[in-house]
Amino acid sequence: SQQGEEDPQALSIQEGENATMNCSYKTSINNLQWYRQNSGRGLVHLILIRSNEREKHSGRLRVTLDTSKKSSSLLITASRAADTASYFCATDGSNYQLIWGAGTKLIIKP
Amino acid sequence: GAGVSQSPSNKVTEKGKDVELRCDPISGHTALYWYRQRLGQGLEFLIYFQGNSAPDKSGLPSDRFSAERTGESVSTLTIQRTQQEDSAVYLCASSRDRRTGELFFGEGSRLTVL
Repeated sequence: SQQGEEDPQALSIQEGENATMNCSYKTSINNLQWYRQNSGRGLVHLILIRSNEREKHSGRLRVTLDTSKKSSSLLITASRAADTASYFCATDGSNYQLIWGAGTKLIIKP
Repeated sequence: GAGVSQSPSNKVTEKGKDVELRCDPISGHTALYWYRQRLGQGLEFLIYFQGNSAPDKSGLPSDRFSAERTGESVSTLTIQRTQQEDSAVYLCASSRDRRTGELFFGEGSRLTVL
């Protein structure tokens, strides 16, 4: 079953602007991950945030986690054309399976 | 190898034919996953291998689907008597072990059933 839900489903912004995507989930988690997928092919891991962390940075990426609201956000600052992709959140619970959302499709307009 | 390798990259087949998809995980990765992704959709779990333990086949959609893995090496996903609804990208991912969060994905095998 899919418990992660990203919103918005699609986002189109101008190059240089910041992009924010959100992910909500339903059950307790150990960690939450964000992945990027270009052109419907392989996914690339972006960042993992543990349940005891509230914020994490990696380059132009900033991820926040609010376990009380069961939600996470991914912020991409100073967006570039190369950031055009689909972004997925994935959560894990008490077992080894990752639960995936349907993704946010991000388009960066030049 | 340096990354997860999947073959074929693209496969077009006729309805009713059998297909075999191959995944070569990163060396040393004990966990291996197969996912299916239909156009514009999220990832649908199919099967999970962890070392020499019995695989978790709970995501396989029908008995036409099967997968094997020899030890901690190559895995093959077989779809028998393909149907048009099997058309999708089949993604393979591996990780060091099941407690390690990050999955490393292959580029996927795009299957089109005519």
